[in-house]
Amino acid sequence: GAGVSQSPSNKVTEKGKDVELRCDPISGHTALYWYRQSLGQGLEFLIYFQGNSAPDKSGLPSDRFSAERTGGSVSTLTIQRTQQEDSAVYLCASSLGHSGEKLFFGSGTQLSVL
Amino acid sequence: QKEVEQDPGPLSVPEGAIVSLNCTYSNSAFQYFMWYRQYSRKGPELLMYTYSSGNKEDGRFTAQVDKSSKYISLFIRDSQPSDSATYLCAMTGLGVGSNYKLTFGKGTLLTVNP
Repeated sequence: GAGVSQSPSNKVTEKGKDVELRCDPISGHTALYWYRQSLGQGLEFLIYFQGNSAPDKSGLPSDRFSAERTGGSVSTLTIQRTQQEDSAVYLCASSLGHSGEKLFFGSGTQLSVL
Repeated sequence: QKEVEQDPGPLSVPEGAIVSLNCTYSNSAFQYFMWYRQYSRKGPELLMYTYSSGNKEDGRFTAQVDKSSKYISLFIRDSQPSDSATYLCAMTGLGVGSNYKLTFGKGTLLTVNP
């Protein structure tokens, strides 16, 4: 596809369950980012992948959050033992370069934890 | 004090009006300034990107950066109903340790009434 693809678009889960969110970046983009957008809040950086380099995980809010990027393309964000405060829109973005100024975002996954 | 402050609005204007959107920031290391537009249930889309101080014009949109005042603006001329969206400012810089991490404002919700 032409843009960043995220799935599912919506996910409703029960507190304590694990969830996996998927991101398929634009072909050829070496950099991939995950951001979180909570109601009334700005976008919050979670994690950054660049090529084969070690990811920058400094934005992950707790050890319940993890992410991987396989083959330099598709990425999965996993949240274990979900809590109600995890409810948010999780946005994935990709870019050609390694500086953050021209990101292309997907439409996000709306996660609701009941 | 948050690093980036943005009035969340909402802002409602008649079609054809000039719209002014603003952000202030506290980190003098920010050098790259962006405006993203986000339609409901969609990911942010890059509108304007500027480096350091000055003006940049693209069609009906003008971005201004005043680094001495730590203040950035986005002007929309001849506003259209299709401009109705949330506008997010974002910024980063070489001095912030990792220039791929964007710091976002919370966004301003704009409605242009026909």
